[in-house]
Amino acid sequence: RKEVEQDPGPFNVPEGATVAFNCTYSNSASQSFFWYRQDCRKEPKLLMSVYSSGNEDGRFTAQLNRASQYISLLIRDSKLSDSATYLCVVNEAAGNKLTFGGGTRVLVKP
Amino acid sequence: DAGITQSPRHKVTETGTPVTLRCHQTENHRYMYWYRQDPGHGLRLIHYSYGVKDTDKGEVSDGYSVSRSKTEDFLLTLESATSSQTSVYFCAISEPGTGAYEQYFGPGTRLTVT
Repeated sequence: RKEVEQDPGPFNVPEGATVAFNCTYSNSASQSFFWYRQDCRKEPKLLMSVYSSGNEDGRFTAQLNRASQYISLLIRDSKLSDSATYLCVVNEAAGNKLTFGGGTRVLVKP
Repeated sequence: DAGITQSPRHKVTETGTPVTLRCHQTENHRYMYWYRQDPGHGLRLIHYSYGVKDTDKGEVSDGYSVSRSKTEDFLLTLESATSSQTSVYFCAISEPGTGAYEQYFGPGTRLTVT
């Protein structure tokens, strides 16, 4: 079983619509959680950290459910520029190593 | 954007030749990492460094070595390149002393071993 699992997609989203997807993690001792965005053939870029109470950054909302061991990302009012692969990333309790999910591909279409 | 550069950005090499990739940062971050990214596998950690001359292995370290003689530079060496090492290599940095564990990535090196 992979430590961090994501639905690879693609999620085909009409422009202006809302899309949400989850990521599950296996290590209950995981401490920190992040969403990264990766455009085709580019480096991953930090989109947002995920806090226990949930957090919002503009059109993006992240939630953490420790009991069920998943995090979610919701994108409202999708833009064409939101088309990308979204990587779920988890930091375990020991050390400073991150574990990456395989990514969820989102395609926003006019 | 974090000040991270990687060189070369693209390289084609032959099986059996040594290859060195360089990561350079201007952020004075203590931690540096090398990852490879392949279809179907996502990002996998090769080696990381937690200070000058302090390095440790990641999950896919076989066939790779690293060195860090200065805070700003982290080198990844493929001693004898194989076709299975064809990949995109990303360097990343972090400064966890502030309690933040997020990493920032360089632009990547696309390596092809023929």
